[in-house]
Amino acid sequence: QQQVKQSPQSLIVQKGGISIINCAYENTAFDYFPWYQQFPGKGPALLIAIRPDVSEKKEGRFTISFNKSAKQFSLHIMDSQPGDSATYFCAASRGDNYGQNFVFGPGTRLSVLP
Amino acid sequence: NAGVMQNPRHLVRRRGQEARLRCSPMKGHSHVYWYRQLPEEGLKFMVYLQKENIIDESGMPKERFSAEFPKEGPSILRIQQVVRGDSAAYFCASSPPRGGRSYNEQFFGPGTRLTVL
Repeated sequence: QQQVKQSPQSLIVQKGGISIINCAYENTAFDYFPWYQQFPGKGPALLIAIRPDVSEKKEGRFTISFNKSAKQFSLHIMDSQPGDSATYFCAASRGDNYGQNFVFGPGTRLSVLP
Repeated sequence: NAGVMQNPRHLVRRRGQEARLRCSPMKGHSHVYWYRQLPEEGLKFMVYLQKENIIDESGMPKERFSAEFPKEGPSILRIQQVVRGDSAAYFCASSPPRGGRSYNEQFFGPGTRLTVL
């Protein structure tokens, strides 16, 4: 119930292409879903986040799509660039009970080829 | 506006020694979380603290690990009698007080990479 599944484990995309990473959860009490970007040797950095009252959120080249009934959400990176090469983690938490810890997916290693 | 600070960035200990990891949250943040990341894996929650209180330690190993967040000073994650399996990156995150727009957001520090020889 606490697990967040993430796929694919690794992804290779050509420059300019679309990168898509998918996550799924079981706990219906989750209501805050952030995505984090992590470069080697660095801490995770918040990229974009969504709450389940909307089905999509876009910030620049990054879009989250959320399907509440399927308990799935995905990250789309448009016009992928070599600088986007990093590991991406989805996460989930219970926003109604402030301060709950995040449950992270296992990560997707993205490589964008020049 | 400084972000979350962690030190040391790298820590090498021999088996049986103690490791102390420090975390200073972002200015204005009063909630601190500790996560552990094993190589090639995601982050696993360990403990959530507010000033002088442990709120949730459900992810902490029952022995050898402890955490505190005193009224003054940084949060400390302490690992006693370290073993090789403790080798990992330990990340601290902080979040703002409840009531703001970003109260769910957690901001991560650069991590402490612990190596146990």
